[in-house]
Amino acid sequence: AQSVTQPDIHITVSEGASLELRCNYSYGATPYLFWYVQSPGQGLQLLLKYFSGDTLVQGIKGFEAEFKRSQSSFNLRKPSVHWSDAAEYFCAVGVGQAGTALIFGKGTTLSVSS
Amino acid sequence: DTEVTQTPKHLVMGMTNKKSLKCEQHMGHRAMYWYKQKAKKPPELMFVYSYEKLSINESVPSRFSPECPNSSLLNLHLHALQPEDSALYLCASSQADRGLSSNQPQHFGDGTRLSIL
Repeated sequence: AQSVTQPDIHITVSEGASLELRCNYSYGATPYLFWYVQSPGQGLQLLLKYFSGDTLVQGIKGFEAEFKRSQSSFNLRKPSVHWSDAAEYFCAVGVGQAGTALIFGKGTTLSVSS
Repeated sequence: DTEVTQTPKHLVMGMTNKKSLKCEQHMGHRAMYWYKQKAKKPPELMFVYSYEKLSINESVPSRFSPECPNSSLLNLHLHALQPEDSALYLCASSQADRGLSSNQPQHFGDGTRLSIL
């Protein structure tokens, strides 16, 4: 069965420090992978997506993610975190037909300390 | 600003009330979705509409009734809800490829926060 695991429930990073959020997936075919961010009281915003091709994908707000098939991972990175990056981050895999059905990980809460 | 608009933003209703949640997008997307999100949890898929036809119903109780009157609108009709139905209800849309796999990113609205008394 398809699944997404985000091993870290909560991460605290100092402002200006680098960030890596982990995501592992389980899916039999070529995965379509997404990272979304959710600020309190808001919907989900797409940060970046991986479909095929270059395994290092660039997204919005200075985020990037690297797809590693051998490790079944799609980790999100940012070289320098800003206080406004504090939010909930969800990794998701797209499955099924007739539209995108997303399976989400449980999310990682990012706190940024000054 | 989100391109998927949901109304109302907040809704408080009693267990005997009937209300509707509305979702609208003008991006030409032909797939639309309803998700339920409890606090500190990821969104859970409820329904998927593709080309205005219901394609996925994730075993949602009948007190939730979706409707897609046209390609831009998606409604969720609520009746006789339970306190455990209190949650954030998110609408999303995406391009839809007939018969192809799911590689279209979804665009989410800001949700309706529903409280059942």
